Amino acid sequence: SQTIHQWPATLVQPVGSPLSLECTVEGTSNPNLYWYRQAAGRGLQLLFYSVGIGQISSEVPQNLSASRPQDRQFILSSKKLLLSDSGFYLCAWGATNEKLFFGSGTQLSVL
Amino acid sequence: EDQVTQSPEALRLQEGESSSLNCSYTVSGLRGLFWYRQDPGKGPEFLFTLYSAGEEKEKERLKATLTKKESFLHITAPKPEDSATYLCAVQFSGYALNFGKGTSLLVTP
Repeated sequence: SQTIHQWPATLVQPVGSPLSLECTVEGTSNPNLYWYRQAAGRGLQLLFYSVGIGQISSEVPQNLSASRPQDRQFILSSKKLLLSDSGFYLCAWGATNEKLFFGSGTQLSVL
Repeated sequence: EDQVTQSPEALRLQEGESSSLNCSYTVSGLRGLFWYRQDPGKGPEFLFTLYSAGEEKEKERLKATLTKKESFLHITAPKPEDSATYLCAVQFSGYALNFGKGTSLLVTP
C-alpha cells in the first residue's frame, strides 16, 4: 500500500532563517506531488506541484521554492523565511485526475 | 473571487440531528469534486469523489450528492466522532485541486 511521509511535524524558525521540508512517498511510481499551505481562516492554497523528476510548477509567487530530486521525494525550501510564511504545510500525492492523499503536515511558526 | 465556496463556515449539531453542508463552485468544466475530512493538526482524509451531476456516494452516516453547480454532504444522525472540518475541492483542469475554506462541524452529545 502507498504511504506518504512528511517531516518535521512542527517547526519554529526565526525570520530570515532558511527552511527545508521533506516529503517522501512509498508504494507507487511516478506520482504527481504537491505542496499546499493552510493558513488560519483560509483554505488550502496550492504552492507547487510536480509531475516528474525535475519538473516543478509554481502556483503562487513567493520566496518559497520546491525541488524533486528523486521520483518519490519532494522538498520545499526557502532561503529567508518571512512572518507570512507561517502556516500548516501539507504534502500530497496522486495520479492525474484522481484524488489526492495527504501527509500529516508540518506546522511552521516563523517568529 | 473564490472558485469554491463552502457554507456554513461552522455548524453545531446535537447528536442525532441530521443536516447538510454545501459546496458551490463557479467555474465550468468540472472534472471532479472531492470531499475530505480534516481533524485538528492532521492532514485531510479522503471521503468521496463525484464526477457528474446526479451522482451520489455514501459512507456510514455521510452521503455526498452533486448537481451542476454544487454539492451537498448530508450527515444523518451524527455522532460526536463526526466532529471535524469538512473540505470540498474541485478539479477543473490540470493536476491540482482547488479547495474551499471548509465547514467546521461540532457534534455535541
